[in-house]
Amino acid sequence: DAMVIQNPRYQVTQFGKPVTLSCSQTLNHNVMYWYQQKSSQAPKLLFHYYDKDFNNEADTPDNFQSRRPNTSFCFLDIRSPGLGDAAMYLCATSRDSTGPLQETQYFGPGTRLLVL
Amino acid sequence: AQSVTQLGSHVSVSEGALVLLRCNYSSSVPPYLFWYVQYPNQGLQLLLKYTTGATLVKGINGFEAEFKKSETSFHLTKPSAHMSDAAEYFCAVSKMNRDDKIIFGKGTRLHILP
Repeated sequence: DAMVIQNPRYQVTQFGKPVTLSCSQTLNHNVMYWYQQKSSQAPKLLFHYYDKDFNNEADTPDNFQSRRPNTSFCFLDIRSPGLGDAAMYLCATSRDSTGPLQETQYFGPGTRLLVL
Repeated sequence: AQSVTQLGSHVSVSEGALVLLRCNYSSSVPPYLFWYVQYPNQGLQLLLKYTTGATLVKGINGFEAEFKKSETSFHLTKPSAHMSDAAEYFCAVSKMNRDDKIIFGKGTRLHILP
């Protein structure tokens, strides 16, 4: 089945130790998103790729970076995780038709990050 | 600017009873509206969406929502709750402009009482 896959499902890292979360998709969608979701809150968009065009949200900290080496894969790099970065990180994809940000978004299961 | 308000961070209903989750939006132009469901430790799954056309939208798992422009509402309903409906529900809005992102509400956690 076509889907959005996130690995790992749970990630433990140490304060200040770089960590990378991965996302892959078999939907062949050209838009990929990364969201941060803290407990009992709505998902917060960090950035998105429209093909290889990177779009950063204005309030996304510089500590968060992303790479998209090809259509199928997208990575979230946290250069120096702080305790406040502990959250669920959700990857999503969408197919651009009328516009990249209105189409239905398909979410992966998320990676829960714990910072010690 | 767009915004979404979900009334009630927690809603409890008995199994078999009507489910009503409220969502109001603000948008200066006709919106696209969505309801997503999130089960524990999982990503979000689209329940239904309104873009244009018929204002009563039917989704998966027996849910439906009605777009009421005069009330700026998009409430989610299900006639008969099932235990498996227990989850977090997010209402979301976007505009019909290319560069506008989806704005999520804060979510409503639905509890089903036996």
